[in-house]
Amino acid sequence: DADVTQTPRNRITKTGKRIMLECSQTKGHDRMYWYRQDPGLGLRLIYYSFDVKDINKGEISDGYSVSRQAQAKFSLSLESAIPNQTALYFCATSDLGTGGMETQYFGPGTRLLVL
Amino acid sequence: GENVEQHPSTLSVQEGDSAVIKCTYSDSASNYFPWYKQELGKRPQLIIDIRSNVGEKKDQRIAVTLNKTAKHFSLHITETQPEDSAVYFCAASKGAGTYKYIFGTGTRLKVLA
Repeated sequence: DADVTQTPRNRITKTGKRIMLECSQTKGHDRMYWYRQDPGLGLRLIYYSFDVKDINKGEISDGYSVSRQAQAKFSLSLESAIPNQTALYFCATSDLGTGGMETQYFGPGTRLLVL
Repeated sequence: GENVEQHPSTLSVQEGDSAVIKCTYSDSASNYFPWYKQELGKRPQLIIDIRSNVGEKKDQRIAVTLNKTAKHFSLHITETQPEDSAVYFCAASKGAGTYKYIFGTGTRLKVLA
């Protein structure tokens, strides 16, 4: 789904470095999410935003921060990367689907390796 | 806290057979249950979803059933094909109208030709 894009797609960094992962969408959705995916653990919510002025922590927000620069952009930062933040990161957006239930659309993912 | 348990973690079936993946949720307020398919190296994509006021929904070879009393829901794939091989995730909305999901841990389905 080219309507949700993530940059970079792959990133290798060192412990202690600050890095930013970016997400952009052209769907016009208000709601945006950041997840991380680890083998055997599924998708876990890091942060989510329901509009530009609304930012909320998910289940695993420690060590991460986010910025909602515009309706279409939602960035995830690792202030001081550590090896256990090595994972696949997905951005997602949502709207209200049929019957008032949301559907979430995922970006292509960013594979992050922290050495 | 709320969680979603998904079983099995891996499933191998012969081409043409059926596959069933089961999920159990804990939040009785959950009212929306999507299923996502993730092919190797790709993003998760919605394949079917069900609302809490419906017991079953079908779309060609895939179907989902929901038992609200028991708090479990299942994905059924009939006449499996090699292209059905992927990881499947169930999810449950975290409460009604919260616009957040709790995901299961995934099932890796292999369809053997």
